[in-house]
Amino acid sequence: DAGVTQSPTHLIKTRGQQVTLRCSPKSGHDTVSWYQQALGQGPQFIFQYYEEEERQRGNFPDRFSGHQFPNYSSELNVNALLLGDSALYLCASSLSGVTNQPQHFGDGTRLSIL
Amino acid sequence: AQRVTQPEKLLSVFKGAPVELKCNYSYSGSPELFWYVQYSRQRLQLLLRHISRESIKGFTADLNKGETSFHLKKPFAQEEDSAMYYCALSALGNQGGKLIFGQGTELSVKP
Repeated sequence: DAGVTQSPTHLIKTRGQQVTLRCSPKSGHDTVSWYQQALGQGPQFIFQYYEEEERQRGNFPDRFSGHQFPNYSSELNVNALLLGDSALYLCASSLSGVTNQPQHFGDGTRLSIL
Repeated sequence: AQRVTQPEKLLSVFKGAPVELKCNYSYSGSPELFWYVQYSRQRLQLLLRHISRESIKGFTADLNKGETSFHLKKPFAQEEDSAMYYCALSALGNQGGKLIFGQGTELSVKP
């Protein structure tokens, strides 16, 4: 089991562009969460998807949107990119319906905005 | 406000010395506390959680609700413990829900 996989590993964009990041959860997991980790900071929760719906959302603007597919994989979309969006974007998966299931993290996508 | 504070960005100790990584939290409900670790060139992984009350790789952490702390301790540090450590919390029983992370503490264990 490869665990949580994310693509691409690294991405360079310019201000104003749009980007899509992808995540495949660990086998057997049905819930996907996205985090933004700026340099020198801890991960910050963006949102969580379950049953193809956004279940929880952190304090991020509407420029950040997501999607979950029937196979539980997920995409994170960011529109109108700003320099401050440069960060490592982490995906984490878990199994819903089971109390206190820990989240498993991927390696992340490093997004650089020029 | 919900917050996790790790006051030390870097903690440097010698091999065999005791280690304590501090974590304080602010949370209005009943939290579940975690320690995550990221070794060099590896992904973030769960080290331990307070509800398990277990020792992993010699590390322990006790939830002190009075002091709102969840410090990570190890009596004798090893060089392979060098890593980035993050304290995190979520709502107790929140099935894999939102995690709130601290800024992280880099632990460096010198030979």
